[in-house]
Amino acid sequence: EAQVTQNPRYLITVTGKKLTVTCSQNMNHEYMSWYRQDPGLGLRQIYYSMNVEVTDKGDVPEGYKVSRKEKRNFPLILESPSPNQTSLYFCASSGRGTGELFFGEGSRLTVL
Amino acid sequence: AQSVSQHNHHVILSEAASLELGCNYSYGGTVNLFWYVQYPGQHLQLLLKYFSGDPLVKGIKGFEAEFIKSKFSFNLRKPSVQWSDTAEYFCAVNLQGGNTGKLIFGQGTTLQVKP
Repeated sequence: EAQVTQNPRYLITVTGKKLTVTCSQNMNHEYMSWYRQDPGLGLRQIYYSMNVEVTDKGDVPEGYKVSRKEKRNFPLILESPSPNQTSLYFCASSGRGTGELFFGEGSRLTVL
Repeated sequence: AQSVSQHNHHVILSEAASLELGCNYSYGGTVNLFWYVQYPGQHLQLLLKYFSGDPLVKGIKGFEAEFIKSKFSFNLRKPSVQWSDTAEYFCAVNLQGGNTGKLIFGQGTTLQVKP
């Protein structure tokens, strides 16, 4: 089954404690993205990757890091989480030239 | 900068009522257009998409959307909504030839259908 898998789905952490949200897709997609969803703000792109070892900032990259060492994986790293990073995070992927995103189930992060 | 605007933030309808959700974008070039739906507690799923050709596109669950290039609009419609259509709806735009990883999303419209 074609899917985008994120882990963890739910996480409560404290300010400053580094965490990683993993994302994996099994569709051999070139493009992968991270979004955060906040009430009234819709979805905002954090980072995206056009292919292995190619990443770029989205609209709200501050406080986040990403890496793309393998085509299927695109982890999101919060080096020193802060309460304003409390949000619902979605990973998504798409094939070359389609523009159609496939989303993961979401990861709800709370930073105390 | 490119942007997507959804005019209705919260819509409440009774079952069997007709639905139209507005979406406008600001970009002068060629675009790909999408509507995504997010049911309560779930991830976003593609409802329908427009790349080229017939400007009236049909999606899943009886939804359709019309691309009007002169108005920079891509409104979503359904003739008769059901309670199960209660969800949040997002319009999104991708610039043709651009980075397909970057969809620009509207703020979303929450649809509540009363049984």
